[in-house]
Amino acid sequence: GESVGLHLPTLSVQEGDNSIINCAYSNSASDYFIWYKQESGKGPQFIIDIRSNMDKRQGQRVTVLLNKTVKHLSLQIAATQPGDSAVYFCAENRGGTASKLTFGTGTRLQVTL
Amino acid sequence: DTAVSQTPKYLVTQMGNDKSIKCEQNLGHDTMYWYKQDSKKFLKIMFSYNNKELIINETVPNRFSPKSPDKAHLNLHINSLELGDSAVYFCASSQGGLRGETQYFGPGTRLLVL
Repeated sequence: GESVGLHLPTLSVQEGDNSIINCAYSNSASDYFIWYKQESGKGPQFIIDIRSNMDKRQGQRVTVLLNKTVKHLSLQIAATQPGDSAVYFCAENRGGTASKLTFGTGTRLQVTL
Repeated sequence: DTAVSQTPKYLVTQMGNDKSIKCEQNLGHDTMYWYKQDSKKFLKIMFSYNNKELIINETVPNRFSPKSPDKAHLNLHINSLELGDSAVYFCASSQGGLRGETQYFGPGTRLLVL
């Protein structure tokens, strides 16, 4: 079946480096994508979203890139900080009119000092 | 000033018991959701209510019954708890329940069935 998945289950980066977290999706009908950050013991926290009519969106220290040709989504975090350590999920809204998110499997980002 | 709150945070119970989890949002949103996160961190939607009406039901066993007394509250009642129900349950809300909306999550309820 169609799914949203991540290439790397765990990503380890040094403090100050840039991080790139990748996500592949297979439903070409999806037109809205969100990245969430989940810290240990907490609920998912919205980071940034992007609609399919865009290929890039920037926030504070974060950038989301969308490549519809290869159905690929990435989250770039600039100057990664220890507080960025968490599990990151991509989610897509596929089909229908309702806000129904399908989540990927998650990538754990570990920031080393 | 918590936007989406859940109680209890932890719930430990025996198989066969019935339990409820409560959720409240003060964001003025019309739509609320329940998600289940398993031990592998996989998040899956269970239910969605828009202004007290059920709009999404993802083939969840009928032992799970959501109840929405008003649009700011969505409770989850679970009958005859099973070991496989052990998970973290998250409540979320969004403005109108329409495609392309951001969903805001609560802190989760960690359910352990013994």
